[in-house]
Amino acid sequence: QKEVEQNSGPLSVPEGAIASLNCTYSDRVSQSFFWYRQYSGKSPELIMSIYSNGDKEDGRFTAQLNKASQYVSLLIRDSQPSDSATYLCAVNGYGGSQGNLIFGKGTKLSVKP
Amino acid sequence: DTGVSQDPRHKITKRGQNVTFRCDPISEHNRLYWYRQTLGQGPEFLTYFQNEAQLEKSRLLSDRFSAERPKGSFSTLEIQRTEQGDSAMYLCASSRTGAADTQYFGPGTRLTVL
Repeated sequence: QKEVEQNSGPLSVPEGAIASLNCTYSDRVSQSFFWYRQYSGKSPELIMSIYSNGDKEDGRFTAQLNKASQYVSLLIRDSQPSDSATYLCAVNGYGGSQGNLIFGKGTKLSVKP
Repeated sequence: DTGVSQDPRHKITKRGQNVTFRCDPISEHNRLYWYRQTLGQGPEFLTYFQNEAQLEKSRLLSDRFSAERPKGSFSTLEIQRTEQGDSAMYLCASSRTGAADTQYFGPGTRLTVL
C-alpha cells in the first residue's frame, strides 16, 4: 500500500516567519513529487514540483527532497496571511512517467497577522 | 492557456438518481485524470485516460461508476444509483505526456446526495 504521510496541523506561524511543511512517502521507486495549495472549498493549485535530491527554489517557496530518507518538505519564507491554506503533498504513484498521484491528507497552515 | 474546466460546479441529487459530470482538459494535454476528495482527505485517484484509452482504474471505482473520453478530448464521469457515500468533490486534472505527471486541476464538481 503506497502511502503519503503529512502532519494534519494546524500549523500556525506569525506573518513574516518561515513555515516548514513535511511529508514522508512509502514507495521507494517514486520519482516525481509535488506540493499543491488548496484554499477551503477550492481545488488544488500546483505550487512546486521536484524530481531530484536537494533543494528547488521558486520565489518564496523552497522544496527539499531526500530520496534516501523518503522525505520531501516545503519551506515558505516571509509567510503572508494569504498563504493560509491546506498544503497537499503528492507523489507519483509509479516509478515511471505515467499514472496517478498519491496525496497526503494535507497540512493546514494558518499565518497570523 | 485555458485551464481545466468542469461542469456542473455543484450538483444536488436524491439517492438512487444517476448523475453525469463533464471535464474539459487543457487543450494540448493528452492525459486526463479523475479524483474524488472528501472533507479532511487528500484527493483519491479514480481513473486515468491517455487520449481516448482508459489506462487505469482504482478499486474505488465501483460498478456504479463509469468514465469515458470518446474522442480524446473532454471526459464524462457517470455515477449510477447514487448513494449518500458518493457525496464528495469530484476533481478532474490533466497533464501532457513527458511532463513528469505535472497535473493541473479543474475547479471540481461538488456532489451532494440527499
